Parts: sequence; structure tokens; C-alpha cells
Amino acid sequence: SQKIEQNSEALNIQEGKTATLTCNYTNYSPAYLQWYRQDPGRGPVFLLLIRENEKEKRKERLKVTFDTTLKQSLFHITASQPADSATYLCALEEYGNKLVFGAGTILRVKS
Amino acid sequence: DTAVSQTPKYLVTQMGNDKSIKCEQNLGHDTMYWYKQDSKKFLKIMFSYNNKELIINETVPNRFSPKSPDKAHLNLHINSLELGDSAVYFCASSQLPTGGEETQYFGPGTRLLVL
Repeated sequence: SQKIEQNSEALNIQEGKTATLTCNYTNYSPAYLQWYRQDPGRGPVFLLLIRENEKEKRKERLKVTFDTTLKQSLFHITASQPADSATYLCALEEYGNKLVFGAGTILRVKS
Repeated sequence: DTAVSQTPKYLVTQMGNDKSIKCEQNLGHDTMYWYKQDSKKFLKIMFSYNNKELIINETVPNRFSPKSPDKAHLNLHINSLELGDSAVYFCASSQLPTGGEETQYFGPGTRLLVL
């Protein structure tokens, strides 16, 4: 089964900078990959989906890349704001549309 | 108008008890899920139902029994609760569009503490 690695240490950045989060997976390349945001005490919220034949996807200040050769996805938040502080989860499709989630990376944006 | 709701939000109980968590979605989705998020924050799927039919059943102790009375509801009953069952349980739903991609919509979670 898939194993997903996300930075276990929190990422601390200054407001206005670009945050870059990494998601690495170990086995076969999934048909698609998703990113979710989770705030303390709340359920994950879907942000972006990128398919295996797409290199890059954008939504407002968010950008996701998908490199099936490196088995890696990068998630970027440009012009970061304190309100972007949260845990970001990477999720991969496994068999039968089952999603496998990474443990997430905590992002802290300081003003 | 909450999309995916769960009750209760908090559940504190003694070892050995039996408890249930309820989930309802008003999104009209066909598929619902139960996930467990442990202290290390790993979100792991437990069960999935599509139109009241069980389609994913991960390696979960049979003390856990899901029940879907209709496609808008998925409940989770846990027998003989153990300390290791303490976690946050999330319900989610999705509608598989053409192509098989799915976005999942999560509930707020039920924080279970077994003493």
C-alpha cells in the first residue's frame, strides 16, 4: 500500500513569503493527488486536486505541482498570511477510490 | 446548513462500555466514510459505504460496526471500548463524478476519550 511522507516538523515562515510544503509517496503513481487543510478541532477541508497527467494546478494563491518521476507533490502558498496557518494534508488515491492521507505538515505564518 | 454533521462532538466514557457515533450528510452524496485520526494525526480510513452497501472495510477490530440506514446516514457503533480507541473519529462523504475522482467532505469530528 502507499506510504506518504510529509514534513513532520512545522514550517514557520514570515507573512508575505511563499510557503512550500512537500508530499512524497513510495509506490505507484496515483491517478490523482489531493491537498486538504485542517484547522485545530475541525475536519479536513479540500483545497486542490491534481491529476497524474497535470504538471501544475493553481487556485488563487495556491499552486500544486505533481512530479510522477520524483514521486512528489509540492504545495505552494504565495503571499502567505497568518490566516493560512493550519495543518496541510496530502492524500493519494489508492484502490477503489480509497484515499490514503499523509500525517500533514503544520504551517505557521508569523506577522 | 451543515453539510456533514456528527454527534456527539465529545464523548468521554469508561473502558468496556458500548457507544455510538452518528453522522448525517445533506449533500446528496452516495458514499460515506469513517476515519480515525490518532494522536500522531494520521487520518486512516476505517469503512466506506456506497448507497448503504459496505465497500471498504479496513483492518478494524470487529468491535467496530458501521450501520447505514440510508445513504444520508452512517453510524458507528463501538463495543467494549478500549483505551486505544481514544482518538478523533471523522465522518466524510463524497459523490463520485465521472472519471472516478472524488473530493471528500468531512464532518467536524467526534473526540472520543476512553478512561
